[in-house]
Amino acid sequence: QKEVEQNSGPLSVPEGAIASLNCTYSDRVSQSFFWYRQYSGKSPELIMSIYSNGDKEDGRFTAQLNKASQYVSLLIRDSQPSDSATYLCAVNEDYGQNFVFGPGTRLSVLP
Amino acid sequence: DAGVTQSPTHLIKTRGQQVTLRCSPKSGHDTVSWYQQALGQGPQFIFQYYEEEERQRGNFPDRFSGHQFPNYSSELNVNALLLGDSALYLCASSTGNSGNTIYFGEGSWLTVV
Repeated sequence: QKEVEQNSGPLSVPEGAIASLNCTYSDRVSQSFFWYRQYSGKSPELIMSIYSNGDKEDGRFTAQLNKASQYVSLLIRDSQPSDSATYLCAVNEDYGQNFVFGPGTRLSVLP
Repeated sequence: DAGVTQSPTHLIKTRGQQVTLRCSPKSGHDTVSWYQQALGQGPQFIFQYYEEEERQRGNFPDRFSGHQFPNYSSELNVNALLLGDSALYLCASSTGNSGNTIYFGEGSWLTVV
């Protein structure tokens, strides 16, 4: 049974701070890793994908992947109140096949 | 460029009834996946359709069935509804043979009473 684990939160950070979201996964053959943001009552929207070990930056977002430790993280720099949402980590073993999602971490950015 | 569209957005059904949810994938996408998201949980994979066939299935009972049409749109059918089927049902589209990023529709909120 493939599992993806995240701290459910809530994680509270002040505006302008760095928010750090973490995710671990159980299946060593996992190939692709994704972060989705989900506002309350809305559907998930893709923030970033990462496939290789190391860091990948996109604007204020940085994804970090360590396959040896089976760990993926998302850093949000200069956090804004509009970043307040649930962040879902997703892992995909087979290209084009099913994604396994974690339970999500609820982030609250305080003005 | 239309994204993933789903209908209906909200519906209420009674235990034992049947429901059909519909999805049109993003333009250029040929693969449709369905997910169930209960309150406070992450999406759970139900099944995926490609070339009008079910390609992979998650851990859901046979009460959950689906279909994909030649225009790539898809339906999710749930029979003999249970209270526990109350959830947000998400359709996600992707391309079957290049890349694997999935994009979600706005979802269908199902309440079973």
